[in-house]
Amino acid sequence: DQQVKQNSPSLSVQEGRISILNCDYTNSMFDYFLWYKKYPAEGPTFLISISSIKDKNEDGRFTVFLNKSAKHLSLHIVPSQPGDSAVYFCAASRTQGGSEKLVFGKGTKLTVNP
Amino acid sequence: NAGVMQNPRHLVRRRGQEARLRCSPMKGHSHVYWYRQLPEEGLKFMVYLQKENIIDESGMPKERFSAEFPKEGPSILRIQQVVRGDSAAYFCASSPMATNYGYTFGSGTRLTVV
Repeated sequence: DQQVKQNSPSLSVQEGRISILNCDYTNSMFDYFLWYKKYPAEGPTFLISISSIKDKNEDGRFTVFLNKSAKHLSLHIVPSQPGDSAVYFCAASRTQGGSEKLVFGKGTKLTVNP
Repeated sequence: NAGVMQNPRHLVRRRGQEARLRCSPMKGHSHVYWYRQLPEEGLKFMVYLQKENIIDESGMPKERFSAEFPKEGPSILRIQQVVRGDSAAYFCASSPMATNYGYTFGSGTRLTVV
């Protein structure tokens, strides 16, 4: 039972263009969502997050959009840079006093071509 | 300010042997989380510990797996009588307080069972 789904295993974009990574979830109890970036042989690095009370959160080139009714979120990277090439994981949790576990998707491998 | 340190980075064990994975959290962090990433999968929560206490072990397999975070020293994830299906990357994360965002992950231990 996969509660967080990233249906695109890979995505390739040109440098300077927009990258859009998508994520769907099934558990309506999730109310906090995160994106992590992972390079090979390294641990995941926290990128950006969004609470369910918002529909958008922006941090520099990275913007996360949340559509609660569709149980869908997306990460936009504008403009994309070659250094953004990595695997991106979507994660979700239920915030009940903190310390709730994260449920991760399988990841999308982003390749940004120079 | 060292990050989360995991050792060894790579561990090879024969079937039936024991595997011990170590995690030293960031300085000042008293909360430790263990996640496992099987090949072609996302990270899956295993256990959440505070100093000397297991808070949530809902993701731990019922047999052969145990975890501890003693008052002094690193957190240890122990796998007894390893099988081929235990081959995976094991990631540890730490935080200064109970939180489900902004974890700092270590680089992981890649366990290979032969």
